[in-house]
Amino acid sequence: DAGITQSPRHKVTETGTPVTLRCHQTENHRYMYWYRQDPGHGLRLIHYSYGVKDTDKGEVSDGYSVSRSKTEDFLLTLESATSSQTSVYFCAIRGTSGTDEQYFGPGTRLTVT
Amino acid sequence: AQSVTQLDSQVPVFEEAPVELRCNYSSSVSVYLFWYVQYPNQGLQLLLKYLSGSTLVESINGFEAEFNKSQTSFHLRKPSVHISDTAEYFCAVNGGSNYKLTFGKGTLLTVNP
Repeated sequence: DAGITQSPRHKVTETGTPVTLRCHQTENHRYMYWYRQDPGHGLRLIHYSYGVKDTDKGEVSDGYSVSRSKTEDFLLTLESATSSQTSVYFCAIRGTSGTDEQYFGPGTRLTVT
Repeated sequence: AQSVTQLDSQVPVFEEAPVELRCNYSSSVSVYLFWYVQYPNQGLQLLLKYLSGSTLVESINGFEAEFNKSQTSFHLRKPSVHISDTAEYFCAVNGGSNYKLTFGKGTLLTVNP
């Protein structure tokens, strides 16, 4: 358990509304990641952060933005949700062993109707 | 760039039978390799990892994986599976200095009585 929580755990929203998902960690990890998981696609990286206010895009970043104003919190925002963003979203942190292993939060199931 | 191919999307087996989940990767640099397990409605958990040294690595619950550099493979095996091993398994590779993992699309292992 790497002390990662995600909120909310479940959310249903309507197309066109903004949505923010929160990832919170308690162990001061520098690197944090947002993935989405969809059947047949595995995990795909949306955005990641390598420090406070330092973020970069992943492979499926269109339609998503992120912010990290504190080490412990990494926020993922869908500015205007679309049905194609219905997915399970996972946050992860990079471990401190220097070997790039990641530890995952419990996930947020988002449904856009 | 790295890539990971999990050769089977679904593997059904009977309880107490052996199983092999196949993973091939491509990378132009030295890599670390990982297997993650995801039980239903949960996040991903690190199952085992190859960093260096012995090419055979083991997990605490009886799984093992063998790193084969010449075949660029990292197959996961268990000599006798249990119902509780039913889960989705993801192979992942790092590489380079970007602190990111590339995941395969997952293999759903279903253990039947």
